[in-house]
Amino acid sequence: DTAVSQTPKYLVTQMGNDKSIKCEQNLGHDTMYWYKQDSKKFLKIMFSYNNKELIINETVPNRFSPKSPDKAHLNLHINSLELGDSAVYFCASSQDPMYYGYTFGSGTRLTVV
Amino acid sequence: TQLLEQSPQFLSIQEGENLTVYCNSSSVFSSLQWYRQEPGEGPVLLVTVVTGGEVKKLKRLTFQFGDARKDSSLHITAAQPGDTGLYLCAADAMGGSQGNLIFGKGTKLSVKP
Repeated sequence: DTAVSQTPKYLVTQMGNDKSIKCEQNLGHDTMYWYKQDSKKFLKIMFSYNNKELIINETVPNRFSPKSPDKAHLNLHINSLELGDSAVYFCASSQDPMYYGYTFGSGTRLTVV
Repeated sequence: TQLLEQSPQFLSIQEGENLTVYCNSSSVFSSLQWYRQEPGEGPVLLVTVVTGGEVKKLKRLTFQFGDARKDSSLHITAAQPGDTGLYLCAADAMGGSQGNLIFGKGTKLSVKP
């Protein structure tokens, strides 16, 4: 069983569209995250959710909105997509990041044309 | 702003060679982690170091946390093509649990047979 699974793997869409990326974890972790990895492989946090409560929002545009229907899911909705949104988006989960780190999904490559 | 500087950015070596990559910061961290990321996949945790001066070994990989907990190194002995990947260091952003991790920009390692 995949511990952290995200779909789709690839997403190509036009500017101005609205899209969603789904993430599910079966590890029973309390906290889930979304990270963005740019073309230079730099990983930057976007959001984290702990027990359905947003605890970090690193000043991403409000076109991005995380939604967590339950502890095992954290979806990412993006409105009015822009060219600069093209990147790889990673979902991750953790019980205690300081000691046990993150478990990452395999990523969603978003291309905005 | 806490930053993790990784060096070198790129490293291309022959199978059987030894190598060391570095992760440096001016900030003190409670813990530091190393991840390896392969193309098309998410980062995978290799190790967490917590105590200043700590050394951990994982087969041919040796990880060291600096005495002042501001830096770390990863040494690979007799590198193999399977070691090829992007090596990322990460540390707790503000200290304490359930915080987000910040990542370095990575060292891209290529081991040629």
